[in-house]
Amino acid sequence: GENVEQHPSTLSVQEGDSAVIKCTYSDSASNYFPWYKQELGKRPQLIIDIRSNVGEKKDQRIAVTLNKTAKHFSLHITETQPEDSAVYFCAASYYGQNFVFGPGTRLSVLP
Amino acid sequence: GAGVSQSPSNKVTEKGKDVELRCDPISGHTALYWYRQSLGQGLEFLIYFQGNSAPDKSGLPSDRFSAERTGGSVSTLTIQRTQQEDSAVYLCASSLDISGRRALRYEQYFGPGTRLTVT
Repeated sequence: GENVEQHPSTLSVQEGDSAVIKCTYSDSASNYFPWYKQELGKRPQLIIDIRSNVGEKKDQRIAVTLNKTAKHFSLHITETQPEDSAVYFCAASYYGQNFVFGPGTRLSVLP
Repeated sequence: GAGVSQSPSNKVTEKGKDVELRCDPISGHTALYWYRQSLGQGLEFLIYFQGNSAPDKSGLPSDRFSAERTGGSVSTLTIQRTQQEDSAVYLCASSLDISGRRALRYEQYFGPGTRLTVT
């Protein structure tokens, strides 16, 4: 079955710097890759996603890149702000089925 | 419109008792998922339902766990003879349609979760 790894497990950056979180997946059939942000005590919220027919997707300060050959995808946050501090989860899915989540990255943006 | 709702928000139960957790998905969403999240941990898949198909129960940790989905909408997760290790937040999520590979929307939307504490 699918296995998703995520690195780093914790990440601290200075406000205004960029943050990058990387995930790798094992099943080449996976074709949908969402990223979720979970603030303390809250539910996970979808922040961006990408399908396998696209190499990059951007939404304001957030971008996701996908390398199908290497089976990895990354979340990029530019100009980080304290409100970006949260746990970020990546996931891999096959046509929206059998979502497998990474273990999460705790991002701290230091003012 | 209304998002995914779950009840109760908190549940404290004694070891050995049965509990039922409820999930109301977004109206029109045919796929429904249950996950478990222990404190500070990731999301552990439990079960998912899609339309009228047989559910994928591959993530259920033991036969004490079961789930139903009535009328393709509301779902109930039942844990029998609860153990202390069952203490966690149980999250439900729904998505629009995964019945066809040409579905336009795959996004999952999560409910607020039920925090279960077994004493």
